[in-house]
Amino acid sequence: GENVEQHPSTLSVQEGDSAVIKCTYSDSASNYFPWYKQELGKRPQLIIDIRSNVGEKKDQRIAVTLNKTAKHFSLHITETQPEDSAVYFCAASSNNYGQNFVFGPGTRLSVLP
Amino acid sequence: GAGVSQSPSNKVTEKGKDVELRCDPISGHTALYWYRQSLGQGLEFLIYFQGNSAPDKSGLPSDRFSAERTGGSVSTLTIQRTQQEDSAVYLCASSLPYKGYTFGSGTRLTVV
Repeated sequence: GENVEQHPSTLSVQEGDSAVIKCTYSDSASNYFPWYKQELGKRPQLIIDIRSNVGEKKDQRIAVTLNKTAKHFSLHITETQPEDSAVYFCAASSNNYGQNFVFGPGTRLSVLP
Repeated sequence: GAGVSQSPSNKVTEKGKDVELRCDPISGHTALYWYRQSLGQGLEFLIYFQGNSAPDKSGLPSDRFSAERTGGSVSTLTIQRTQQEDSAVYLCASSLPYKGYTFGSGTRLTVV
């Protein structure tokens, strides 16, 4: 079955700097890769996703890149702000519906003022 | 509804008692999931329902855990003979194909 690894487990950056979180997956059939943000005490929320026929997707300060050959994908946050502090989870789906994700273990991002 | 609704939001139960947790997914979402999250930890998969297909129960940690989804909509997660290690937040989510999950706000279960 699918296995998703995520690095780093914790990340601290200065406000205004960029943050990058990397995930690798094992199943070459995986075709959908969402990213979730979970603030303290709240539910995970989808922030960006990418399908396997696309190499990069941007939404304001966040972007996701996908390298299918190497089986890894990354989340990039530019101009970080204190409200970006949260736990970020990557996920991969290899089923026929782009559902039933395997989640990575999470990255705790702290943005220092 | 507008989002995924879970009830109760908090549940305190005595060790050995049975509990039922309810999830009302977004109308029309074909898939429904249950996850468990212990304090400061990741998302532990429990069970996945897809339409009328047999559920994927591979994440249920023991036979004390069971779940059903009636009429392709509401789901109930039942934990029998609760143990202290069952204490966690239980999250339900629903989704459409290639659209990501929408999570509910969770049920915080405390076993005393």
